Amino acid sequence: GEDVEQSLFLSVREGDSSVINCTYTDSSSTYLYWYKQEPGAGLQLLTYIFSNMDMKQDQRLTVLLNKKDKHLSLRIADTQTGDSAIYFCAAAPGTASKLTFGTGTRLQVTL
Amino acid sequence: EAGVAQSPRYKIIEKRQSVAFWCNPISGHATLYWYQQILGQGPKLLIQFQNNGVVDDSQLPKDRFSAERLKGVDSTLKIQPAKLEDSAVYLCASSFLSGAFFGQGTRLTVV
Repeated sequence: GEDVEQSLFLSVREGDSSVINCTYTDSSSTYLYWYKQEPGAGLQLLTYIFSNMDMKQDQRLTVLLNKKDKHLSLRIADTQTGDSAIYFCAAAPGTASKLTFGTGTRLQVTL
Repeated sequence: EAGVAQSPRYKIIEKRQSVAFWCNPISGHATLYWYQQILGQGPKLLIQFQNNGVVDDSQLPKDRFSAERLKGVDSTLKIQPAKLEDSAVYLCASSFLSGAFFGQGTRLTVV
C-alpha cells in the first residue's frame, strides 16, 4: 500500500519562507493534499494538486510536485506566527478515495 | 456551508466499557470516512462509506469496532469493549469530489 513520509520538525523565523517536504511511494496516487492541524483541532484542507500538474500557487502557498521522484513540497511565503501548526501531506488514488497521511511536520515560527 | 459535525468532543471511559461517536457530514457528501489519530501520528483510516455502503474497512478491528451509516447521511462508530490502546482522536470526514473535510474530532481517553 501507499506509504507517505515527512520530516518531523521545521523551525523558521517570522517573515521567512517555509518549505515542508513529503515523499510518497505509490505512483498511482493522483491526488496529493496538504492539511494543517492546530492544537486540539481537526484537519483543515489547505490545498491540493493533481498528478498532471507540476506546480500550484494559492496566495502564500505554493505546491511543487516531482512525479518522477514522488516528491511533494509546500512552500509558505512570508511565514507568520499563525502558521505554527502540524502540516500533513496525504495521497489518494482518486477523488473520494482513501487518503493516506504522513506523520506530519511540526512547523515552529519564531520571532 | 456547515462543516462536519462530531460529538462528543471528549470522552473518558474505563477499559472494557463501550463508547459511541456520532458524525454528521457536510450536506450532499456521499463519501464519509472515520480516521483514528494516535498522539504524534498521522490519521489512519478505519472505515470509508460511499452513501450507506462500506468501501474499505480493511483497517477496522472488527472484533471490537463497528460502524454504520444509516440512510447514507449520519454515521456512528462504536467501540466495545475499549482497550487502553484505543486512546486517540477519532476524526470523521466527508468528501464530494476532491479532498476530504474533517470535523473537530472526538478525543477518547481509555483509563
